[in-house]
Amino acid sequence: DTAVSQTPKYLVTQMGNDKSIKCEQNLGHDTMYWYKQDSKKFLKIMFSYNNKELIINETVPNRFSPKSPDKAHLNLHINSLELGDSAVYFCASSQDSGQGSGGYTFGSGTRLTVV
Amino acid sequence: TQLLEQSPQFLSIQEGENLTVYCNSSSVFSSLQWYRQEPGEGPVLLVTVVTGGEVKKLKRLTFQFGDARKDSSLHITAAQPGDTGLYLCAGAPGNQFYFGTGTSLTVIP
Repeated sequence: DTAVSQTPKYLVTQMGNDKSIKCEQNLGHDTMYWYKQDSKKFLKIMFSYNNKELIINETVPNRFSPKSPDKAHLNLHINSLELGDSAVYFCASSQDSGQGSGGYTFGSGTRLTVV
Repeated sequence: TQLLEQSPQFLSIQEGENLTVYCNSSSVFSSLQWYRQEPGEGPVLLVTVVTGGEVKKLKRLTFQFGDARKDSSLHITAAQPGDTGLYLCAGAPGNQFYFGTGTSLTVIP
């Protein structure tokens, strides 16, 4: 059983399209996150959700919106895709802040390519 | 300038060599974590260090947290090809969690 699973693994789409990436965790963690990893491999947080409340929202364009139907799911919706959105997007989860010994558990990533 | 700077950025060594990766900041952290990311996968937690001066060992990997809790190092003894990957330090000086700039390690057989 994959602890944090995200789909799809690869996503190629045209500029202007709307797409979604799904994420599910079966660890019973109470916080879920979306991270963006750029071409230089730098990981930057986009959103986190704790008990269905958004608790971090970095300077992310409002074309990106997280949606959490329940504690085990955090999906990422992207509207009007732009070339600069091409990156690898990671879903992650943690118990509480993730700063303890358990840390973050990451999914295997979704490589988004906008053409 | 990123909050957590890692050095070196890239490292290519022969199997059996030793190496050290550094993670530095001007901020104080209550804890620091190290992750390893393999191609096509997400980062995987290796260790969390919480006490200044703490040393933790994970087989051939030795992690140290600086006395002032502003920096950390990862030392690998007798590197193996399986150690190849992107090594990331991470921590939160306040409420927000940050990842380091990363060190890409290649161990050549």
